[in-house]
Amino acid sequence: AQSVAQPEDQVNVAEGNPLTVKCTYSVSGNPYLFWYVQYPNRGLQFLLKYITGDNLVKGSYGFEAEFNKSQTSFHLKKPSALVSDSALYFCAVREKGQRQKVTFGIGTKLQVIP
Amino acid sequence: DAGITQSPRHKVTETGTPVTLRCHQTENHRYMYWYRQDPGHGLRLIHYSYGVKDTDKGEVSDGYSVSRSKTEDFLLTLESATSSQTSVYFCAISDGPVASGLQETQYFGPGTRLLVL
Repeated sequence: AQSVAQPEDQVNVAEGNPLTVKCTYSVSGNPYLFWYVQYPNRGLQFLLKYITGDNLVKGSYGFEAEFNKSQTSFHLKKPSALVSDSALYFCAVREKGQRQKVTFGIGTKLQVIP
Repeated sequence: DAGITQSPRHKVTETGTPVTLRCHQTENHRYMYWYRQDPGHGLRLIHYSYGVKDTDKGEVSDGYSVSRSKTEDFLLTLESATSSQTSVYFCAISDGPVASGLQETQYFGPGTRLLVL
């Protein structure tokens, strides 16, 4: 069975500082990995994904994530946080071959402090 | 929100009554999904559809049924609502050639807040 863990319920970071939101996954085979963001009272919005190829993936709004197969991690990063980045972030995984069943983490609330 | 609407956006109902939530898309995407979002659980898949009249269960399907008679509409029915089904329900869609990986990205609707009293 596939699973994903987001070990931090909340991450606080000062505006202008780099941010990291952690995600680890478990699959039997090769993973597809995703990050989504949710602003209050909105649906989830796609940020970036890893399917294959370069381990460093760049996405929307200056976010990037690094796929690390040996550590089974896919941490979300941004060099300089903005107050407007404050939101709920979800990591998700789908194992290749699993028909359309994506497993989401429980989410990490990012608070960027002015 | 990528041409996805959900109706109603808010609903209050009583225990034991049937409830139907509607998801409508204008993207002509093949795959459609229903999730529920609850604190401490993230998003959990209820049911999904991979084509007209083709549906399958997700991880929390008990007490829910779905139907898809047209590409653009995916209905979620709570057969007899219970308080444990109080949640925020999200519809999502995805599509694209398998080899390109485009089908992997899901696009979400704005959500429906359901309160079961």
